[in-house]
Amino acid sequence: GQNIDQPTEMTATEGAIVQINCTYQTSGFNGLFWYQQHAGEAPTFLSYNVLDGLEEKGRFSSFLSRSKGYSYLLLKELQMKDSASYLCAVRDGDYKLSFGAGTTVTVRA
Amino acid sequence: GAVVSQHPSWVICKSGTSVKIECRSLDFQATTMFWYRQFPKQSLMLMATSNEGSKATYEQGVEKDKFLINHASLTLSTLTVTSAHPEDSSFYICSARADRDYEQYFGPGTRLTVT
Repeated sequence: GQNIDQPTEMTATEGAIVQINCTYQTSGFNGLFWYQQHAGEAPTFLSYNVLDGLEEKGRFSSFLSRSKGYSYLLLKELQMKDSASYLCAVRDGDYKLSFGAGTTVTVRA
Repeated sequence: GAVVSQHPSWVICKSGTSVKIECRSLDFQATTMFWYRQFPKQSLMLMATSNEGSKATYEQGVEKDKFLINHASLTLSTLTVTSAHPEDSSFYICSARADRDYEQYFGPGTRLTVT
């Protein structure tokens, strides 16, 4: 099985940078995903890492260290619309995703 | 990008009745579909994995006789909640994956309320 930990809540100011950490212990690893989820909606894909290193995609970047079982999602130039829950998910060899509990990010003006 | 739809978006039913939720991949063939359940303020929990033309694989603790999954074609999977009870009230989300694709595409979810 998978054990995935991420902080419950984070608060930041508009225009700032926030880093959401995710640690995992896995019985099989085939990639790590980050999703954004607004209340009452389905998750939307943000990023995918399968090799070590940083993946940058506009204002969002994601980092992976497989040896440390660690990833982070970096949100830059925060906007009010970025207030949402951010889910870290690990995929196993059967393409099944295990999700962390999610980090609720609140962006304040 | 790939689109996955779910129907209905929300449903209210009485305790003891059955409810069917459809998940469709609109512009690609989904060899694998996944069904998740999400309770308020909790994360998504995988219920089962279904491959077209074969029986679904259920996660530990999920009753296969209560949550019937059918994946009859490459674009349609259905989840039937049989004899629903108030504790089955939840947000049910499906996702679909095409062969050789790393990403799962999520449907918009179905809010089920059992009274």
